[in-house]
Amino acid sequence: AQKVTQAQTEISVVEKEDVTLDCVYETRDTTYYLFWYKQPPSGELVFLIRRNSFDEQNEISGRYSWNFQKSTSSFNFTITASQVVDSAVYFCALSEGDTDKLIFGTGTRLQVFP
Amino acid sequence: DAGVIQSPRHEVTEMGQEVTLRCKPISGHDYLFWYRQTMMRGLELLIYFNNNVPIDDSGMPEDRFSAKMPNASFSTLKIQPSEPRDSAVYFCASSPRTASFYGYTFGSGTRLTVV
Repeated sequence: AQKVTQAQTEISVVEKEDVTLDCVYETRDTTYYLFWYKQPPSGELVFLIRRNSFDEQNEISGRYSWNFQKSTSSFNFTITASQVVDSAVYFCALSEGDTDKLIFGTGTRLQVFP
Repeated sequence: DAGVIQSPRHEVTEMGQEVTLRCKPISGHDYLFWYRQTMMRGLELLIYFNNNVPIDDSGMPEDRFSAKMPNASFSTLKIQPSEPRDSAVYFCASSPRTASFYGYTFGSGTRLTVV
């Protein structure tokens, strides 16, 4: 069975600090996809990144970076030089290759204070 | 592209009433998903469709919930009769072809309050 664990319920940082959101997943499939979504206070779910299980390259997009490590079943998300606008709930999600279902973790609420 | 459109944005209803939530997926997307978000249970997949056909409804909580997709551009989620514990934000999402590969685009959600 597939499972996503986001152990950090809430994180608070001061602007310009770096912050890492942890995500650990469980799956029996060799083909799977990992996602991060952002849910700002307005409530919509915004897609951030998708990674497939065969691509362990880390990715950087501006202040955002993602570290995918199959050896530890982790797909962590780092925000560099955080800003108040980064305040949101961040969800990690998993989809196995033979199903189209996206299973979400419980989310991490990030609060960035000025 | 207008994105995934959900209506209404907010719904307040009395216990026992019928509630219908609506979703218009992105044109050309073959998959449509209904999720429910609550504080206690997080984001739960209720049901999803592929080419208008329900594929997996194992997440539908009970018989009071039903979902339909009469055509490629419209889906409904109905709760009859509604109960206070159904209060949640209901999201619709759509995806092209292989959903896993392409990911999902979510609508803005419908916040349902049952009093």
